[in-house]
Amino acid sequence: ETGVTQTPRHLVMGMTNKKSLKCEQHLGHNAMYWYKQSAKKPLELMFVYNFKEQTENNSVPSRFSPECPNSSHLFLHLHTLQPEDSALYLCASSRGEASGNLNTGELFFGEGSRLTVL
Amino acid sequence: SQQGEEDPQALSIQEGENATMNCSYKTSINNLQWYRQNSGRGLVHLILIRSNEREKHSGRLRVTLDTSKKSSSLLITASRAADTASYFCATALEYGNKLVFGAGTILRVKS
Repeated sequence: ETGVTQTPRHLVMGMTNKKSLKCEQHLGHNAMYWYKQSAKKPLELMFVYNFKEQTENNSVPSRFSPECPNSSHLFLHLHTLQPEDSALYLCASSRGEASGNLNTGELFFGEGSRLTVL
Repeated sequence: SQQGEEDPQALSIQEGENATMNCSYKTSINNLQWYRQNSGRGLVHLILIRSNEREKHSGRLRVTLDTSKKSSSLLITASRAADTASYFCATALEYGNKLVFGAGTILRVKS
């Protein structure tokens, strides 16, 4: 148990559906991340929030929409996805810094949400 | 090629043997981290080594860092079947707030 909980663990959706992935951390961290993990590819950083402010959007298509209502919760809203978006979506958290420097120390990952787009 | 690349891509050894994985990177770093991932699960942090450190130990793990060669190695001694997993290096860039992961080494330890 890493203190980072992701739901749902598995999701199957059609290309016209709208769904959301949820991440919650109980570690008192202030930075949260979305990563995408596709087969045989390195983890791709998608979004970063530090103290609820988005600090990184790694050229992610607009069909992925993040939301960070507070430092403990992070959502990834999905709409009109493509089959190539099928992947394991990993949420992570870290201490973060109010100065804006993420203090790139240890990341704590959730178990991931396995997404299949039909 | 990407910032962090692990070598080999896959490694198969017998229980009790040592496993060595290497990571090379391209730009200056603040620190380098190693993570482990069991199949289909989240990543778990193993060890962090800062750019001014050369070697670090944690239990059966030994990590080295050579900033002149821009490379790191992870040694797992006396491997066990439970060490079977994917291992990733991640570099915290000196400039910029992000951790960049490599594609990983798949380690299989046969009992």
